[in-house]
Amino acid sequence: EVQLLESGGGLVQPGGSLRLSCAASGFNFRNYAMSWVRQAPGKGPEWVSTIGGSGGSTYSANSVQGRFSISRDNSKNALYLQMSSLRAEDTAVYYCASQEGFSYFDSWGQGTVVTVSS
Amino acid sequence: QSALTQPASVSGSPGQSITISCTGTNNDIGSYNLVSWYQQHPGKAPKLMIYEVTKRPSGVSSRFSGSKSGNTASLTISGLQAEDEADYYCCSYAGSWVFGGGTKLTVL
Repeated sequence: EVQLLESGGGLVQPGGSLRLSCAASGFNFRNYAMSWVRQAPGKGPEWVSTIGGSGGSTYSANSVQGRFSISRDNSKNALYLQMSSLRAEDTAVYYCASQEGFSYFDSWGQGTVVTVSS
Repeated sequence: QSALTQPASVSGSPGQSITISCTGTNNDIGSYNLVSWYQQHPGKAPKLMIYEVTKRPSGVSSRFSGSKSGNTASLTISGLQAEDEADYYCCSYAGSWVFGGGTKLTVL
């Protein structure tokens, strides 16, 4: 059974930094692209960033380009999102999601809440 | 990319069928057969229901089906059940991923 468990969320001031982690189990992690998808309160999901199975390819939404960095450690079955220069509009539940097929998100974690506020 | 357009709400009675539309552009839905649909119950993570327009993941009921015509994709749920009440989101891949604003399904 695929399990994805996010951690690292919390309250941070505008301009601050935060690092999210996602622990994966139940599938061959290194063979899957992985993504972070966020959802602001009352809104639809928003794709944030994706990393290929080997970690060699990364993609990010324009809204986080230059501020967020996605990475992975296949030896630890772990996915990360380093977030800096955080803004109020980054407030959301952040989900990690696996991608057996590159165009869709087949399994999601339970999410971790990030609140950017002074 | 702009968000895909979905109706804010739809409703139906148990046993009936409903269809949720998702409208994009020639640059996303119209050009790629890469539409997926997600179900989300309150306080829970989204769940993949349909991928690549018409395909159902293992374990998803055959009551859920997807289609596409031009720039509009659709999710149809037949034989509505109480547990189908949830928010539904479409998503299209066209170099990056864009989601719809969501449709709240109420089972009367």
